[in-house]
Amino acid sequence: EADIYQTPRYLVIGTGKKITLECSQTMGHDKMYWYQQDPGMELHLIHYSYGVNSTEKGDLSSESTVSRIRTEHFPLTLESARPSHTSQYLCASSEYRRQGESNDEQYFGPGTRLTVT
Amino acid sequence: KNQVEQSPQSLIILEGKNCTLQCNYTVSPFSNLRWYKQDTGRGPVSLTIMTFSENTKSNGRYTATLDADTKQSSLHITASQLSDSASYICVVSDRGSTLGRLYFGRGTQLTVWP
Repeated sequence: EADIYQTPRYLVIGTGKKITLECSQTMGHDKMYWYQQDPGMELHLIHYSYGVNSTEKGDLSSESTVSRIRTEHFPLTLESARPSHTSQYLCASSEYRRQGESNDEQYFGPGTRLTVT
Repeated sequence: KNQVEQSPQSLIILEGKNCTLQCNYTVSPFSNLRWYKQDTGRGPVSLTIMTFSENTKSNGRYTATLDADTKQSSLHITASQLSDSASYICVVSDRGSTLGRLYFGRGTQLTVWP
């Protein structure tokens, strides 16, 4: 069982609200990720981090922002939620390896199901 | 373009029966291929991982195969159980960056009926 946690598990909010999705892991992993997943569709990487003070945008453009002040914590923030942000958001983490080494397994949290009305 | 295609999109089988899920990929350079199981409303959990030199890998009733020449993989589930009902996702990693880029398929939604 992976030690990676996400809160809240479900969130229904109105348009224009600011929200923060929490993600924490207790495995000491350097790399952390945020994915967006719509029903029946593949996961899309929206943000990732190599470690503290490192944040990068993923393949899918997102209006959300992230921060990495502590190794174990990687929150995602939406300043002004819109109905188009309705989706499932999955957080993951993995160990850091040098280029050329085998890619590490990503451990996923349970996800946050966000609905913006 | 690096892609991962899975088939079938959905599958319904009776409890106790076997089934095979397919995955075709075009990811290059190839590092490894994983099969994940994702229960409804949960995050994916890794079932198996195979590198270029591995042809088959088992995890209990789950057996994955890999043909790196044809870029195809399969996941065989033996003696299915109700708890096998989930989405099975094929994920391929490339070797092109320190990020360890992952390419996800859309998954096969498996439903096991009693």
